[in-house]
Amino acid sequence: QLQLQESGPGLVKPSETLSLTCAVSGDSISKTGYYWGWIRQPPGKGLEWIGSRYYSGSTYYNPSLKSRVTISLDTSKNQFSVRLNLRSVTAADTAVYYCARTAGVVFFDYWGQGTLVTVSS
Amino acid sequence: IVLTQSPATLSLSPGERATLSCRASQSVSNFLAWYQQKPGQAPRLLIHDASNRATGIPARFSGSGSGTDFTLTISSLAPEDSAVYYCQQRSNWPVTLTFGGGTKVVI
Repeated sequence: QLQLQESGPGLVKPSETLSLTCAVSGDSISKTGYYWGWIRQPPGKGLEWIGSRYYSGSTYYNPSLKSRVTISLDTSKNQFSVRLNLRSVTAADTAVYYCARTAGVVFFDYWGQGTLVTVSS
Repeated sequence: IVLTQSPATLSLSPGERATLSCRASQSVSNFLAWYQQKPGQAPRLLIHDASNRATGIPARFSGSGSGTDFTLTISSLAPEDSAVYYCQQRSNWPVTLTFGGGTKVVI
């Protein structure tokens, strides 16, 4: 059974970089046809796609966040993970961040439980 | 492409039929998915490609539509169906995935 687990700091200062890691277990991150990425949800609000990356390097980002976002995949030592870096954060970046598998960059079929990140000094 | 969901809130009784709408500002073909989110939980995929139920989803959930108008139907509401339901589309040039604002179903 595929499982995704997010981890990272729960508090980030304004102007700094938000960095999160998603540990993937139960399947290969190199599985054909599946991208890996991030979605966020500000408290009490809706969902916003951040971006998705394929093991070959193909990457798609939300145009509204593209200038600040980097998503990378790590397949070293048979331990798979998805990393998110979001630069120059502000209070508007406060949200629950979800890691998710994307089937063909069309829909999200597996989600992590999410991790709350607060941007505050 | 903007997705508009209606109604914002739907209050129904157990056993009743729920009809949720999702309208796209431009055609999305059949690249439309539906998710269920309960408080404190991650969203769960219900329907993909407009009408295909995801693995393990009960048959009372069904999706229909194409182009710009889509519907999620819950044929006979169960108490555990109380949740917020989101639609989501994929568009090209550039590739972008966006969600609707959600419909809250109260049972």
